[in-house]
Amino acid sequence: ELQLVESGGGLVQPGGSLRLSCSASGFTFSTYPMHWVRQTPGKGLQYVSAITNSGDKTYYADSVKGRFTISRDNSKNTLYLQMSSLTTEDTAVYYCVKRTVTTNPYYDFWGQGTLVTVSS
Amino acid sequence: EIVLTQSPGTLSLSPGERATLSCRASQTVSSNYLAWYQQRPGQAPRLLIYGVSSRATGIPDRFSGSGSGTDFILTISRLEPEDFAVYHCQQYGSPPNTFGQGTKLEIK
Repeated sequence: ELQLVESGGGLVQPGGSLRLSCSASGFTFSTYPMHWVRQTPGKGLQYVSAITNSGDKTYYADSVKGRFTISRDNSKNTLYLQMSSLTTEDTAVYYCVKRTVTTNPYYDFWGQGTLVTVSS
Repeated sequence: EIVLTQSPGTLSLSPGERATLSCRASQTVSSNYLAWYQQRPGQAPRLLIYGVSSRATGIPDRFSGSGSGTDFILTISRLEPEDFAVYHCQQYGSPPNTFGQGTKLEIK
């Protein structure tokens, strides 16, 4: 059974840092590009970051560029998102998302999400 | 970036009725890379439709997608109780991927 389990969310003060993890199982993790997507009540779903299957290329939304770093450890089947210089605007549920490898690159599976709250 | 506008914001219908949800893009969606996701309360989004009209594995045939260019439709032919949820459209043809703000389908 395919699973993506996020962890590492919590309450952090503005300006602080947090590292999210996503543990994958039920598929060959090293084959697939992976993304982080976040959701807020006000702005809905928002793409955050992406990484190729090998980890050699990374991509970021403008809103997080320079503050967030995506990475992966294929030997541990784990995806990471290191977040720093957090602001209240980063408060959201963060989802780890699996992307297809076909020429049609949609999101075919989402984790359950982890809540990040940035507040003093 | 491409802005997706979903309408209506909330749709109130009864089980057994037909639901029609709209997603309009600010620019042409490249390669018809348009997906729909269902999100039930407290759950993660679940893929329903990709490539405008292809149903994901395990999705009942009462769900169908259509459209092209900038205008897309998700149709649920006969609503079941479990279909009442929030529906999101997404374009993934032009980076960055973007999502609509969602349509809430509620029981009338």
